Amino acid sequence: RKEVEQDPGPFNVPEGATVAFNCTYSNSASQSFFWYRQDCRKEPKLLMSVYSSGNEDGRFTAQLNRASQYISLLIRDSKLSDSATYLCVVSHSGYSTLTFGKGTMLLVSP
Amino acid sequence: NAGVTQTPKFRILKIGQSMTLQCTQDMNHNYMYWYRQDPGMGLKLIYYSVGAGITDKGEVPNGYNVSRSTTEDFPLRLELAAPSQTSVYFCASSPGQGARVGYEQYFGPGTRLTVT
Repeated sequence: RKEVEQDPGPFNVPEGATVAFNCTYSNSASQSFFWYRQDCRKEPKLLMSVYSSGNEDGRFTAQLNRASQYISLLIRDSKLSDSATYLCVVSHSGYSTLTFGKGTMLLVSP
Repeated sequence: NAGVTQTPKFRILKIGQSMTLQCTQDMNHNYMYWYRQDPGMGLKLIYYSVGAGITDKGEVPNGYNVSRSTTEDFPLRLELAAPSQTSVYFCASSPGQGARVGYEQYFGPGTRLTVT
């Protein structure tokens, strides 16, 4: 089983749609969880951290279920500018090393 | 404040050649990392450093070397380039442990390397 697995995608959605990304991780000792965004041919950038209590940032909501080793990202009211690849990222070592999923591509169309 | 800068942006190497990918950060971060990203794949950690003079191997270190003589610079050396090293290379830095925010990594724009 891969360390971090994500929906293969791509997801094609119209503007205004709600879309959910799922991610599972295999290492139960994982400590920190993130969603990064990567635009085409650009570097990854932190979108949001994921906390056990769940957290929201505008149209974005992230959830963590430690028992199921599952992370999710919900995007409401999709915009054209949300088109990107969303990377699920997990940290479980003491030196801030991150393990990246392959990413799920989102394409938002008019 | 430039953040993380990488040079060159693009490079074509012949098999067997060597080169150094440069990475510099101006955020006074202790932790620095090198990743490679192959098409359709996630980022793989090559090497990382927790401070000047300290480096350690990541998931895919073979064929690469690093050094960290200053806080700011973390060059990646490719010796005897092979086609399997064709990839996009990202350098990143982070403040390090302590606060949760310390785990955020800031990435450079990447170097696209082709080995033919």
